[in-house]
Amino acid sequence: DAGVTQTPRHEVAEKGQTIILKCEPVSGHNDLFWYRQTKIQGLELLSYFRSKSLMEDGGAFKDRFKAEMLNSSFSTLKIQPTEPKDSAVYLCASSLTTNTGQLYFGEGSKLTVL
Amino acid sequence: GQQVQQSPTSLVLQEGENAELQCNFSTSLNSMQWFYQRPGGSLISVFYNPSGTKQSGRLTSTTVIKERRSSLHISSSQITDSGTYLCAMEPSSGQKLVFGQGTILKVYL
Repeated sequence: DAGVTQTPRHEVAEKGQTIILKCEPVSGHNDLFWYRQTKIQGLELLSYFRSKSLMEDGGAFKDRFKAEMLNSSFSTLKIQPTEPKDSAVYLCASSLTTNTGQLYFGEGSKLTVL
Repeated sequence: GQQVQQSPTSLVLQEGENAELQCNFSTSLNSMQWFYQRPGGSLISVFYNPSGTKQSGRLTSTTVIKERRSSLHISSSQITDSGTYLCAMEPSSGQKLVFGQGTILKVYL
């Protein structure tokens, strides 16, 4: 079984650009999460989908971050416009259900904003 | 305050020594998980441990829900155990997983 697949693995953007990160969850999983990981803040939840419905949009990240899940096997995270402080590793994770399941993470997309 | 407190923040061991990592939670929880992350790598679930003790090879996780704590014991540590260990809890309030800041483990020869 394929795990969580994220693309691209690395992205370099100029300040002000729009970038789109992609994620394919584990087949059959109902819950999908987007996290941002930095050394200072650790793991921060950006968005959470259950059965394709957006359940949580990460509060402070609403402004320039938009996650979408058009079908059960594909999600995108758009950052527009990018700022240098957005440089981080963006991790996508999925689980069968939130209350009973393990969380499976992708390899992450490392974003550098110049 | 932080809902998940991990200790120690970092740990240096000689190969063969044992390690004990702790997680304490400030709120009641339904379940918790331990993750391992190699430098530059992604998170791998090590234990999904709602309660009790679970063992996998040299790793043992013990979670006591009522006392809001969990521990991860690594016996006979190896160089390949080096990395960051994170715990995460699912609060009873229904929030999503809350992660600790992690314990950075370095094992040397």
